[in-house]
Amino acid sequence: DAKTTQPPSMDCAEGRAANLPCNHSTISGNEYVYWYRQIHSQGPQYIIHGLKNNETNEMASLIITEDRKSSTLILPHATLRDTAVYYCIVGIIQGAQKLVFGQGTRLTINP
Amino acid sequence: DVKVTQSSRYLVKRTGEKVFLECVQDMDHENMFWYRQDPGLGLRLIYFSYDVKMKEKGDIPEGYSVSREKKERFSLILESASTNQTSMYLCATTGGHKTAYEQYFGPGTRLTVT
Repeated sequence: DAKTTQPPSMDCAEGRAANLPCNHSTISGNEYVYWYRQIHSQGPQYIIHGLKNNETNEMASLIITEDRKSSTLILPHATLRDTAVYYCIVGIIQGAQKLVFGQGTRLTINP
Repeated sequence: DVKVTQSSRYLVKRTGEKVFLECVQDMDHENMFWYRQDPGLGLRLIYFSYDVKMKEKGDIPEGYSVSREKKERFSLILESASTNQTSMYLCATTGGHKTAYEQYFGPGTRLTVT
């Protein structure tokens, strides 16, 4: 039973902001939203996570709606190296948990 | 930055061989994981370890074993390789101040069993 839904694919022009949506309407109060990406033939890469406030780091920004039922990952100035499959997951923060990815969004950055 | 290294990027083995995949991390993380990733099946957990000499089975442990004698090193062993173990193997770590799903992956080992 998928806890998140994402569009299967998106395109974005190089240099523009890439906005990747994720729906997580059944998220629990103690669950965080996490984003990963996987570039072809490489291991997954953690990007960012958040609970309810917007978060920003050197890679991306995460905007979570007030009702927490959806979020958007923003890559402010996309480059060709950002072409990857992006995964949104929800989960608690304690302990050690296995990662289970859904289908994700295949983001293609076009020159 | 967390650095997770895996012993090989590509490996070709014959059916029946014993295969060792090694993962080393430099961040003093307590938790280490072995996943395999296959097209259409996503990421599946084989084993994880939350401390030295401690191990827990994941979802698909059959045909695999693990060893964690030192905190920084987590080895995956295929006792007798079979063709259905052809896959991408990924090691991940988390611990310290990192949260449960904030895992750091190695580059992966693409294993082919012929």
